[in-house]
Amino acid sequence: AQKITQTQPGMFVQEKEAVTLDCTYDTSDPSYGLFWYKQPSSGEMIFLIYQGSYDQQNATEGRYSLNFQKARKSANLVISASQLGDSAMYFCAMRELNNNDMRFGAGTRLTVKP
Amino acid sequence: ETGVTQTPRHLVMGMTNKKSLKCEQHLGHNAMYWYKQSAKKPLELMFVYNFKEQTENNSVPSRFSPECPNSSHLFLHLHTLQPEDSALYLCASRLDRNTGELFFGEGSRLTVL
Repeated sequence: AQKITQTQPGMFVQEKEAVTLDCTYDTSDPSYGLFWYKQPSSGEMIFLIYQGSYDQQNATEGRYSLNFQKARKSANLVISASQLGDSAMYFCAMRELNNNDMRFGAGTRLTVKP
Repeated sequence: ETGVTQTPRHLVMGMTNKKSLKCEQHLGHNAMYWYKQSAKKPLELMFVYNFKEQTENNSVPSRFSPECPNSSHLFLHLHTLQPEDSALYLCASRLDRNTGELFFGEGSRLTVL
């Protein structure tokens, strides 16, 4: 069974600095996708970035980048130049590509300090 | 606006009531999901439908009954719930392709008295 682990319940970062949110995963399937979502206090889940298991390069989307280390089974999210609006819960998720089951980690609450 | 609409946004019900949550998407997606999000717990996958066929049922109690009449609509029928069922219920949809991310609705906040 697939398993997602986020070991940081909460993180603080100073505005304009970079922050790394950790995510490790466990699967025996060679084909999978990794996803990061942001959930502000309003509750909606916002898709941020995707990394495929066969992708050779780390994914980037604006200020978001994914530090994908396949051998270590980690997919850490890096947010550069943090903004106050980045304060939210962040969830890592994984889906094995031959099924529909998308599983989420417990989440990390990020607080950006002015 | 993600294209996934959930109603009602808030629901309060007694343990003997019967109610339904509705989810609608017009994104042309063919897979739809129900998740439960309780305080201090990870999102729990409840049900998945792909092309209207249920493909996942994550050991959910029978007091939760899903219905997917077509690829655009998904319901969660609720009856004889318990207070511990109080949570945010999130619907999501996905286009069935390898990199298809989930698009979430804003959720239905359920309180069981």
